[in-house]
Amino acid sequence: EIVLTQSPGTLSLSPGDRATLSCRASQSVGSSYLSWYQQKPGQAPRLLIYGASSRATGIPDRFSGSGSGTDFTLTISRLEPEDFAVYYCQHYGSSPPVTFGQGTKLEIK
Amino acid sequence: QLQLVQSGSELKKPGASVKVSCKASGYTFTSYAMNWVRQAPGQGLEWMGWINTKTGKPTYAQGFTGRFVFSLDKSVRTAYLQISSLKGEDTAVYYCAKYCGDCYASDYWGQGTLVTVSS
Repeated sequence: EIVLTQSPGTLSLSPGDRATLSCRASQSVGSSYLSWYQQKPGQAPRLLIYGASSRATGIPDRFSGSGSGTDFTLTISRLEPEDFAVYYCQHYGSSPPVTFGQGTKLEIK
Repeated sequence: QLQLVQSGSELKKPGASVKVSCKASGYTFTSYAMNWVRQAPGQGLEWMGWINTKTGKPTYAQGFTGRFVFSLDKSVRTAYLQISSLKGEDTAVYYCAKYCGDCYASDYWGQGTLVTVSS
């Protein structure tokens, strides 16, 4: 079973800063199967990145994804006030078919 | 436009059952599987399983067998989650989420349904 570990648990930054969020898999996974979601309080998650690096429809280009193997990164180049939220990585695999990381909370410093 | 609209919040007593609906519009319902995801209060996202909207075949994650049932009514483009013998630990927001196919992600989500189990 693949386990996704996100770090840090909480990231405190200011608007305009660059944010780097990590997602580490317990074993190598295909990049095609790694995605990132944003969730704001009281809202459903929103797909940001799929295939490790492809932005979903309507996602601003300040969001980017990278990585391969066991290490994946979500980068927000310049934080906007609306970017402060919880971020989850997700893997689509075989057993179990879907796994989420535990989340990283991005909070205003 | 593509939408998933879920049924409203539910308050149930322990031992009761609940059925959450997820009505799809704006795309071919039977072309994409539907995921179900649970989020307990203050916790992360937990994948419950999915249902093949073409065949109706469900797949349940570990921990979601027995009391949880996924079903469909294709005539009204709606997926359902039924939970029986409710327990306090079933208190959570339940989301349906459309699988996007070859992007291997969930590209559209319902707004969530809060199920509260309390005596």
